[in-house]
Amino acid sequence: AQSVTQLDSQVPVFEEAPVELRCNYSSSVSVYLFWYVQYPNQGLQLLLKYLSGSTLVKGINGFEAEFNKSQTSFHLRKPSVHISDTAEYFCAVSDRGNQGGKLIFGQGTELSVKP
Amino acid sequence: DSGVTQTPKHLITATGQRVTLRCSPRSGDLSVYWYQQSLDQGLQFLIHYYNGEERAKGNILERFSAQQFPDLHSELNLSSLELGDSALYFCASSVQGLAGKTDTQYFGPGTRLTVL
Repeated sequence: AQSVTQLDSQVPVFEEAPVELRCNYSSSVSVYLFWYVQYPNQGLQLLLKYLSGSTLVKGINGFEAEFNKSQTSFHLRKPSVHISDTAEYFCAVSDRGNQGGKLIFGQGTELSVKP
Repeated sequence: DSGVTQTPKHLITATGQRVTLRCSPRSGDLSVYWYQQSLDQGLQFLIHYYNGEERAKGNILERFSAQQFPDLHSELNLSSLELGDSALYFCASSVQGLAGKTDTQYFGPGTRLTVL
């Protein structure tokens, strides 16, 4: 079984500052890793995903994440945030060998960007 | 707009009642997933259908059931509703959703269910 831990439930940050949202996972098998964003009153939108290859993954809206196998982490970063980045961010894993690719989500991190 | 539609957007009902949530996947997507988002449980996988067949089940209650029709739309049926069933229910679709595949899941806007 897999589990995902997002280490911060809320992250307040000022506009144009860098941000890191932390995610650790636990799994007995190889996994795919994802970050999704949920804007208020909307569904989830994929930011980026790690499948294989380079451990640094670039996504939409200037976000990137780094896969660290030894630390079982997949932290999300952005060098300079905007007010519009205020949203909830979810880290998720899916089992490489699992039939169907269901997503196991972390509890979410609420990013609040202040002017 | 992800291309996944869900109806209704909001649903208010009473305990003991039964409701049906509907999902239309993106054109060409064969897989439909249902997730529940609640304050205490977070985002949880409920069930996955691929081309009309059930593929995987999560912690879905026996009072809940789902199906995927020949036109690939899906319905999630919730019966004998309890206060704790109040949540946001998401549907997601993907092209395949088969073993070892990594196709992206596209989420609908959700149906907010309130049980009074």
